[in-house]
Amino acid sequence: EAQVTQNPRYLITVTGKKLTVTCSQNMNHEYMSWYRQDPGLGLRQIYYSMNVEVTDKGDVPEGYKVSRKEKRNFPLILESPSPNQTSLYFCASKLRGRVTEAFFGQGTRLTVV
Amino acid sequence: AQTVTQSQPEMSVQEAETVTLSCTYDTSESDYYLFWYKQPPSRQMILVIRQEAYKQQNATENRFSVNFQKAAKSFSLKISDSQLGDAAMYFCAYRSGSSNTGKLIFGQGTTLQVKP
Repeated sequence: EAQVTQNPRYLITVTGKKLTVTCSQNMNHEYMSWYRQDPGLGLRQIYYSMNVEVTDKGDVPEGYKVSRKEKRNFPLILESPSPNQTSLYFCASKLRGRVTEAFFGQGTRLTVV
Repeated sequence: AQTVTQSQPEMSVQEAETVTLSCTYDTSESDYYLFWYKQPPSRQMILVIRQEAYKQQNATENRFSVNFQKAAKSFSLKISDSQLGDAAMYFCAYRSGSSNTGKLIFGQGTTLQVKP
């Protein structure tokens, strides 16, 4: 089954403790992105990757890191999480091309206390 | 920069009735795509319908249809014969046709309640 898999789905952590949210897709998609969803703000892009070893900042990249060492994986790293990073996070992937659609993961609910 | 605005934080509809969710956007581009996504309590993002800006005909998917007014930069979603399973948050989204990143720009979301 074609899918984007995020782990974990729920995470509660403390301020400053490094964490990684994993994202994996099995569709051989070139494009992958991370979004965060906050009430009243919709989803905003954090980082994106156009292919292996090619990543760039989205609209809200502060406090986050990403890497794309393999085509299928695009982990989101929070080196020193802070309470303002409490949010719902989505990974998405897309095949290159104008008419192709984005596939979203199931979301990760992160709480930083 | 492009923006997407959903001015209705919450809407409600009686089961079997019709409801329209509003979305406006701002762009200077002529080549773009517009989408409506549904997010049920499971949090999964589900594509409901898409519209290519170059197409004059409004997109339709079963009970879901859009009213695309390009000059007014308006993109509303009409849900006919509403069902309990339509209860969800709905997001309007924009994607540039020239984007090489696939970036989606989302509105704030509208929570739809369906009353039995």
